[in-house]
Parts: sequence; structure tokens; C-alpha cells
Amino acid sequence: QSALTQPASVSGSLGQSITISCTGTSSDVGGYNYVSWYQQHPGKAPKLMIYDVSNRPSGVSNRFSGSKSGNTASLTISGLQAEDEADYYCNSYRSSGTSYVFGAGTKVTVL
Amino acid sequence: QVQLQESGPGLVKPSETLSLTCTVSGGSISSDYWSWIRQPPGKGLEWIGYIYYGGSTNYNPSLKSRVTISLDTSKNQFSLKLTSVTAADTAVYYCTRGAGWWAYWGQGTLVTVSS
Repeated sequence: QSALTQPASVSGSLGQSITISCTGTSSDVGGYNYVSWYQQHPGKAPKLMIYDVSNRPSGVSNRFSGSKSGNTASLTISGLQAEDEADYYCNSYRSSGTSYVFGAGTKVTVL
Repeated sequence: QVQLQESGPGLVKPSETLSLTCTVSGGSISSDYWSWIRQPPGKGLEWIGYIYYGGSTNYNPSLKSRVTISLDTSKNQFSLKLTSVTAADTAVYYCTRGAGWWAYWGQGTLVTVSS
């Protein structure tokens, strides 16, 4: 089961905005609005940041936003802060096999 | 606030069965979906499967032949069994609430497959 495609790393300066992409196919990202994003700090459990493409759970900063165009979903972090440095994973429902698939993860570095 | 806690052996021998239990507190397991997700050391996340409180299950096709997830409503727990394990099954195993997105996670438990 192939993973969704994410860039291995993305970096940005304090206060800047960055965007992480998550590319799939019409059988997953492009076919359904069931994309979610997770932040993971070293040694910690993942934290839900975005669900159903663009919805933000209660308590998550509005600096985090999600969107989708075609087979690619995106997570944008605006006003980058030091605590945003972490690994980020996307996830999507996939119709083949009726399952859920993650991206390989993107390491965000704050310069 | 729902809390989840994984428990089980941290070391399993190759070819044997990995068994983990997730204890749910702060909410009833008799609603919603309950999932297992794993993460090999230094690698990404992999969805293992879920069970609905009514008992229906759905598993990752790549693991389906080896995985069983079950519920014990009397103990407010759900469990994972993975048979015929190999070193490739070494990972941190997380129990979570939900099916398509996961807002509540256990802290994770490392299971190492080694003789």
C-alpha cells in the first residue's frame, strides 16, 4: 500500500508562512474530503491539526489551515513559531481496500 | 476528556503473536470507532485497523490476514492481536479514537520483535 507523497523537509523563518503538500490519487486525496493532518514532536503521540481537508479542531491555533486542489492537499502554517518545529503527516481515506493511508511525513524546521 | 492507555508485552519473539490492550477512561467505549496505528522507529505512521462499537471491523489490506481487533465493553477496553510477527512489526503502537481522523491518542507503547 503506497504512501501519500509529502516533501521530506520544509523550512521557514520565524513569522513566515510555509506550505506542506500531500499528493495522492483520485482514489484517495482527490476523490474524498477525508484528509487530515497531524503534528508530532519527538517522543510524543501525534496531534490532530486538521480534519476533513480544512476543519480545525477546538484548541488548534488558527495559524494552521488546510486546503485541497485536485489530488493534492496542503497544510499551511502562517506566522511560523519555534514550537511549530515538528514532523507533520497527512492522511486520507483510500477507496481501494477501504482503508486509510498516511504520507511519509515532512520535517518542518524553523530557522 | 477521553484518555487512552496501551498495555502489553514490550518484547515478542518472531513468529509469535503480538497482543496489546487499550484501556479507555473518561468516556464509554460503547460508541464511536476505535483504532490502532503504529510507527516503526524513525519511520512514518501506519494505520492498522478499527473496530466500531457495534463490532464491525476494517483492517489495512496489507495486514488483514494477521490482524484481529476486538472490544471488551465490560472492561471499557479494546485489543489488538497481530500474528506471525517479524522484525518488521517492531514499532510504537498507538490506540486511538475514531476512524477517518484521530483526535484522541494513547501515549504509545514500543513493541520489539526479537528472539
